[in-house]
Amino acid sequence: QKEVEQNSGPLSVPEGAIASLNCTYSDRGSQSFFWYRQYSGKSPELIMFIYSNGDKEDGRFTAQLNKASQYVSLLIRDSQPSDSATYLCAVKGDNQGGKLIFGQGTELSVKP
Amino acid sequence: DAGVTQSPTHLIKTRGQQVTLRCSPKSGHDTVSWYQQALGQGPQFIFQYYEEEERQRGNFPDRFSGHQFPNYSSELNVNALLLGDSALYLCASSLGATQAQHFGDGTRLSIL
Repeated sequence: QKEVEQNSGPLSVPEGAIASLNCTYSDRGSQSFFWYRQYSGKSPELIMFIYSNGDKEDGRFTAQLNKASQYVSLLIRDSQPSDSATYLCAVKGDNQGGKLIFGQGTELSVKP
Repeated sequence: DAGVTQSPTHLIKTRGQQVTLRCSPKSGHDTVSWYQQALGQGPQFIFQYYEEEERQRGNFPDRFSGHQFPNYSSELNVNALLLGDSALYLCASSLGATQAQHFGDGTRLSIL
C-alpha cells in the first residue's frame, strides 16, 4: 500500500463546475496536509494546507480533512480552464520532521 | 521578496559524472529540503538541511549528498551518475521543519 494515494485521473470537469480531488494516507500519525498545484513543466505551487479535522476555505478552494477516515480532499469551485494542472497531495507526520510524502498527483482538465 | 531560486535550470551529464545543484531559499526561510521528481510521479524526499546539518534523509543512496551554508543556501551533490538519476530536482524552503514548504523552479537533469 502506498503511503499517500491519489487517483491519477485525468479528471475532466466543465468550466464553472466543482472539481473534487481526493487523497488517502496510511500513517495515522500524520499531522499536516498540503495541496500543491503543478502545471506541466513547472514546479509545485502551494495552494492550501490543513492541520485540523473539518473544512478550510480560501477563495475558490476548500480543503477537507477527516483523520478518522484518513482522507483529505480539495474542492475547486467555479473551475476555470486555468485550473487545469496536476494536483499533488502531500502529508507530513509529526514524528517525521520536515519530510513531505507526496501522492502521484491527479491531473485535472477543465473544459471550456 | 525573492522566492526560492535554483541553478542551473537544465543540465546534461553522462553516466559516471558528478553534478552539483544549487538552491537559495526564500527570504526569511532557514530550512532547505531537496526532492527528486521523476516524470509522472510525485516528488520523492531526498534530505533536509537546517542549521547547516542534515536533519532527515529519505531512501536515497550515499551518492546523494548535500550541504547548507551559513546564509541558508544549499547544494545537492550526486556522484557516479546513473541513467535513473534523470529527473527534475526540486528545492523547497521553509521557516523551520514544520512550516509549509515553498518550491523553486527546479533543475532538470538529464543523464546520457
